[in-house]
Formats: sequence, structure tokens, C-alpha cells
Amino acid sequence: GESVGLHLPTLSVQEGDNSIINCAYSNSASDYFIWYKQESGKGPQFIIDIRSNMDKRQGQRVTVLLNKTVKHLSLQIAATQPGDSAVYFCAENPPGDYKLSFGAGTTVTVRA
Amino acid sequence: GAVVSQHPSWVICKSGTSVKIECRSLDFQATTMFWYRQFPKQSLMLMATSNEGSKATYEQGVEKDKFLINHASLTLSTLTVTSAHPEDSSFYICSANGQGEYNEQFFGPGTRLTVL
Repeated sequence: GESVGLHLPTLSVQEGDNSIINCAYSNSASDYFIWYKQESGKGPQFIIDIRSNMDKRQGQRVTVLLNKTVKHLSLQIAATQPGDSAVYFCAENPPGDYKLSFGAGTTVTVRA
Repeated sequence: GAVVSQHPSWVICKSGTSVKIECRSLDFQATTMFWYRQFPKQSLMLMATSNEGSKATYEQGVEKDKFLINHASLTLSTLTVTSAHPEDSSFYICSANGQGEYNEQFFGPGTRLTVL
């Protein structure tokens, strides 16, 4: 079946810099997308979501961009902090389906 | 709000024994819960969808007799790994659907299962 994938498996970023994590999704019918953060040994934590009728959504220090034309999703983290070190997953949800499809995950490491 | 708990947080068992993992929605009712499995450095793999009062729906390749799921109430779903083997060692995570229009899933903290 179709699934969500990520462009890069790892990202190393200097503390204070901005981070950009990318995600390519396959199902053009998906209408809801979510970014999760998972720290070692813990469950995924909701970061931000976006519906398909939007192309940008901002939260606290995070911004999600959605480009439906090329089926691309990105997460931008401003002023990356050591506490941002984690694995980040994007997930998609097709309409009429409660199941989420997760991407492979990007490991973000913040350098002091 | 929207807190999901799991118990136990970790468990070690001998091969051949069964292990039960509980997933609870603490401050909301969840008609649908999901069980995921995650191997080290891999993504979450959906095992099954658990619906309150009905049989669980298993994903392709997941043995329903091996992974028994019971969703007896709107706040509790259990996953029982029967006759556990070392290859069942994994991180098991549950999630619960929120009440919103879209599929807002809230995840539990996970249960680390080690089978010796």
C-alpha cells in the first residue's frame, strides 16, 4: 500500500539554528497530516498538524508546510534547542480512514 | 487533557508465557484504540485497530491468535502477547482517538517487552 516516507534519516543541527525536516507522502487523497516527536523510550508526542485545505500552519517555534502539488510536507523548528533532539515522524491520514500511516522517521541531533 | 497511559512500562518474561499490556484513556472516552509495534530505529507499525465492544481489526501479517486484543470499555484496551518468543521483544505503543472531527490520535508512553 501507499506510505509516507522521509527524505533524510538523520539531521545534525547546531543549537540555535533552524531545523527543517522533510517528508514525502504518496497518497494524494490524504487530507490530514501530523508531525510527531519521539524521544528515546517514549511514545510519540504530537507536535503540530495540518489539514489539506491549508498550506502552512504555525505553532510555538514550529511551522508545518504542505505542498500538495508535489506531495511534500516539512517541519521547521526555529532556534533549535538540545531538548529538540529526538526522532521526528510525519503521518498521514486518508479521508474516511482512522488509521495513520507513519514515515520512517528522521533523527535530529542538536550540537551544543 | 487527552492523556493515554500504558501498564506496565516494561516487562521481562520467559519464552512461552503470556503477557498482558493495558492501555487506558484517562480523561476521555475512546471508541477506537490502536496498537503499534516498534523495533529499534524503526517506525511505528500498526498491528490492529481496537473498537469498543467489537472484535479488533488486525493488519495484514499480524496473527490475531498471537496478539489478543480486548476493548471492554471506552477507556481500556488490552493487548495480550500469547506464548511469547524472543522475536516478540519490541516496544508496544497504543493510541486512542480523540473526539474531534479529524483523526487526532493520542499516544501512550509505550511498553518495552523483553522475552528471554
